[in-house]
Amino acid sequence: QKEVEQDPGPLSVPEGAIVSLNCTYSNSAFQYFMWYRQYSRKGPELLMYTYSSGNKEDGRFTAQVDKSSKYISLFIRDSQPSDSATYLCAMSAPRGSTLGRLYFGRGTQLTVWP
Amino acid sequence: GAGVSQSPSNKVTEKGKDVELRCDPISGHTALYWYRQSLGQGLEFLIYFQGNSAPDKSGLPSDRFSAERTGGSVSTLTIQRTQQEDSAVYLCASSLAGEADTQYFGPGTRLTVL
Repeated sequence: QKEVEQDPGPLSVPEGAIVSLNCTYSNSAFQYFMWYRQYSRKGPELLMYTYSSGNKEDGRFTAQVDKSSKYISLFIRDSQPSDSATYLCAMSAPRGSTLGRLYFGRGTQLTVWP
Repeated sequence: GAGVSQSPSNKVTEKGKDVELRCDPISGHTALYWYRQSLGQGLEFLIYFQGNSAPDKSGLPSDRFSAERTGGSVSTLTIQRTQQEDSAVYLCASSLAGEADTQYFGPGTRLTVL
């Protein structure tokens, strides 16, 4: 079993739709949860960062963490064609722990059509 | 300021040849990470450097892969006797010490082995 599971899609939605992207994980040591966005032929860029359970909102994006279920989500409201990209979830253990790196999901390819 | 840079951006080589990929991290970032991203796959961790500590090489797929980091800054990933299955995008990231949760990625090197 991989440390982090993510449905690779592809996911195709019309402009204006609400998009839900999800990941599950198995290691309870993970404390930091990130979503990266990767446009075609570019490196990933950090989109959202959360610590502990709960919701975090930034504009049209909401990141949700449920540590009891080991489940994280990213919601995109009013999706735009410019949101078309691959979205990767990532997580890490507390700073200073021996698990000194990020663990990534496979990424979900999203297309928002006009 | 300058981000993470990688060179070359594209590399085409013949099976059996050796290749070197270079990464220049963000100035002041003591942690450096190498990942591989194959078509349709997520980020596969390869190796992680943190300051003067012994690198975490747990992700290197075979002994044909090696990496070094000179002077705590620039890193070189070397693949010996390349195989077609080595074709992928090789991504480098850097972060401040102990802050694996906040990594900044370079644009990647696209390696094609013919």
